[in-house]
Amino acid sequence: GQQLNQSPQSMFIQEGEDVSMNCTSSSIFNTWLWYKQEPGEGPVLLIALYKAGELTSNGRLTAQFGITRKDSFLNISASIPSDVGIYFCAAHYGGSQGNLIFGKGTKLSVKP
Amino acid sequence: GAGVSQSPSNKVTEKGKDVELRCDPISGHTALYWYRQRLGQGLEFLIYFQGNSAPDKSGLPSDRFSAERTGESVSTLTIQRTQQEDSAVYLCASSLFQYNEQFFGPGTRLTVL
Repeated sequence: GQQLNQSPQSMFIQEGEDVSMNCTSSSIFNTWLWYKQEPGEGPVLLIALYKAGELTSNGRLTAQFGITRKDSFLNISASIPSDVGIYFCAAHYGGSQGNLIFGKGTKLSVKP
Repeated sequence: GAGVSQSPSNKVTEKGKDVELRCDPISGHTALYWYRQRLGQGLEFLIYFQGNSAPDKSGLPSDRFSAERTGESVSTLTIQRTQQEDSAVYLCASSLFQYNEQFFGPGTRLTVL
């Protein structure tokens, strides 16, 4: 079945460092989304990408929709302690009614 | 304004018992989704409602799982004869229409002993 391969699985970084994570798939998607989940909460949408090649920023976050439509990356610049959480990529898969397929997540830890 | 709410926040049950999990979506949202999140995993789609109808039940893992939605509002996910592998966080999300941004509730953490 369709699957999103997200890496890295976890990251331990120093405050102020930049972070990069990505998602790949063997399937083509029309939308890529990036969510952040904090303990005890549901995921919150960070960035949505709707067009191949699209590069979108939201503050210190930048995400790109790969040209092949099979991948996406998320960058976080100048990380701060409140960036801690689990970041998920997600995509709308073909034939769905809007439901999403998710990657397994990247757990980010930031040392002050 | 009020977001998506779910109850209970935590549920511990014994194997073989039935459980009901409730989701209150954002008022006016026509689409409602249930997902399951196992420890350390991503979210796994279970079922989608458009209004009170469920056009996509493809993610329900077995016939022990069922869901309904009434009044184009609250939804209940029922798990019958719970098994230990059902232990997970069950998340509900709603969106204004399908393909719009999904807003998630905080989830119900289910533990089956």
